[in-house]
Amino acid sequence: EVQLVQSGAEVKKPGESLKISCKGSGYSFTSYWIGWVRQMPGKGLEWMGIIYPGDSDTRYSPSFQGQVTISADKSISTAYLQWSSLKASDTAMYYCARPPSGRPSDAFDIWGQGTMVTVSS
Amino acid sequence: DIQMTQSPSSLSASVGDRVTITCRASQSISSYLNWYQQKPGKAPKLLIYAASSLQSGVPSRFSGSGSGTDFTLTISSLQPEDFATYYCQQSYSTSPTFGPGTKVDIK
Repeated sequence: EVQLVQSGAEVKKPGESLKISCKGSGYSFTSYWIGWVRQMPGKGLEWMGIIYPGDSDTRYSPSFQGQVTISADKSISTAYLQWSSLKASDTAMYYCARPPSGRPSDAFDIWGQGTMVTVSS
Repeated sequence: DIQMTQSPSSLSASVGDRVTITCRASQSISSYLNWYQQKPGKAPKLLIYAASSLQSGVPSRFSGSGSGTDFTLTISSLQPEDFATYYCQQSYSTSPTFGPGTKVDIK
């Protein structure tokens, strides 16, 4: 079964750093893009960026460029989303997701369960 | 960025009703339009891709149409499990964007 399993909920203070993870299984991890989607409390979905673990090619939405870093470790089939200095406005649910094809902007047909990040002093 | 709008933002309907949700793009996106369903506390689920292709395992009461800038999602006979929020997403540009969502609740 193709699965994306995300790391658990996090509670952090403003200014702290954070790295959350998304582990893929049941498929060739290096052959599919993995993206990240933000959903702020009570709000809609926002496409943040995407990485191709095979060669680490990474694309960001202009809204998130410079705000987060997307990376992957293909040796352990895991993608990451990280912040160097969190803000209260980073409080949100973060989903990783995978498109079915080789096109990075394609629809996501496989989703992780989500990681809730809460940033509060 | 390509901006996506949806209408209505919410609707109330009864089981068995035919429901139509509209999505509009700020520029032509050909048929690069996808629809998702999200239930509270759950990850989104892909329903329709490429404007009108039904994702595997999705009931046939869901259908999509449109091209260019105007698209619709239709639920032919609303079922209890269909009460959820629906999002459109353009996958035309290198920076895909979602619509604001349409919440479908019980009348």
